[in-house]
Amino acid sequence: KNEVEQSPQNLTAQEGEFITINCSYSVGISALHWLQQHPGGGIVSLFMLSSGKKKHGRLIATINIQEKHSSLHITASHPRDSAVYICAVLSYNTDKLIFGTGTRLQVFP
Amino acid sequence: KAGVTQTPRYLIKTRGQQVTLSCSPISGHRSVSWYQQTPGQGLQFLFEYFSETQRNKGNFPGRFSGRQFSNSRSEMNVSTLELGDSALYLCASSFIRGPQETQYFGPGTRLLVL
Repeated sequence: KNEVEQSPQNLTAQEGEFITINCSYSVGISALHWLQQHPGGGIVSLFMLSSGKKKHGRLIATINIQEKHSSLHITASHPRDSAVYICAVLSYNTDKLIFGTGTRLQVFP
Repeated sequence: KAGVTQTPRYLIKTRGQQVTLSCSPISGHRSVSWYQQTPGQGLQFLFEYFSETQRNKGNFPGRFSGRQFSNSRSEMNVSTLELGDSALYLCASSFIRGPQETQYFGPGTRLLVL
């Protein structure tokens, strides 16, 4: 079993829909990152959080440390949100990032 | 401010050769981390450098090595290339704390080993 699991693996949505991507992990962490990767490979860091909730524009990230779970929400989705979203946890013991396998999101007009 | 730059962007090598990839961090950033991304294994941590010292290392064989210079630029080297080393190699920089703070990724170097 992977230490970081994301669901769903693939997601399609119509423009304007509310989207949720989930990340569960099994290790103790000191932080969790949400990353966005566009075709071509470039990665952008969306959030880093260790507790609670963060919001940036239409994106919201939450984390529940007790349940070892984080969610990334996209409100009013747009075709330009189409990308792979990757969850990565910073292991408390090893200080190394462990990555999920990513969620491929396609938003259609 | 210029972003993280990586050179070369694309590279084709043959088995047994060696390769050196370069990463220039954002000005003022002193931590540089390297990652490998393959379709089968996804993203994996290679190593992190801070102030010319390797601060952390992932689970890769000794053929993978790196270094950091006094201007924070970093290089990684892969010797005796294998087909399985074909991947996108990404570097990321941050001010000081590596993955404990927001990391800024470069565009990556896509390596193909034939």
